[in-house]
Amino acid sequence: GENVEQHPSTLSVQEGDSAVIKCTYSDSASNYFPWYKQELGKGPQLIIDIRSNVGEKKDQRIAVTLNKTAKHFSLHITETQPEDSAVYFCAARRDGNEKLTFGTGTRLTIIP
Amino acid sequence: NAGVTQTPKFRILKIGQSMTLQCAQDMNHNYMYWYRQDPGMGLKLIYYSVGAGITDKGEVPNGYNVSRSTTEDFPLRLELAAPSQTSVYFCASSYSGRSNTEAFFGQGTRLTVV
Repeated sequence: GENVEQHPSTLSVQEGDSAVIKCTYSDSASNYFPWYKQELGKGPQLIIDIRSNVGEKKDQRIAVTLNKTAKHFSLHITETQPEDSAVYFCAARRDGNEKLTFGTGTRLTIIP
Repeated sequence: NAGVTQTPKFRILKIGQSMTLQCAQDMNHNYMYWYRQDPGMGLKLIYYSVGAGITDKGEVPNGYNVSRSTTEDFPLRLELAAPSQTSVYFCASSYSGRSNTEAFFGQGTRLTVV
């Protein structure tokens, strides 16, 4: 089955700087890669996703890049703000598979 | 819209007790999932359902049971609680299992077994 590895497990960034979280996946047939943000005491919430026919996708301060050949994808947050502090999860899935496989999460702390 | 609603939010169980974690969604989603979240371990799939009357095992189903008698509800049953089941449990739903369909999560149930 699919295996998703996520790094780093914790990340502290000065407010205003950029943060990058990286994930690798094992199943070359995976074609959908969402990122979820989990705030304290809440369930994960989708913030951005990308399909394998696209190399990059942006939404304001958030971007995701995908390298299919190397089987890795990354989340980039620019101009970080205190409200970006949360746990971030990457995930992977392929068509025909009902299940998302999640990474182990990254706790991002923005230092004011 | 309520989205995905889980009850209770917190529960303490004694070893050997049983309980049912409730999950309901009002989005008419076909697919529903139960995950457990342990520190540093991400989200592990316990059971999932692709529609009423259909359930299937995920990665870590032992010690749990589910049922899906309606589209809206997907309860998770613990029959003989064990300390290893101490975790945060999340229910999720999606319109379909197609790869680009967003999954919506509930707020979680924090369960402690003592």
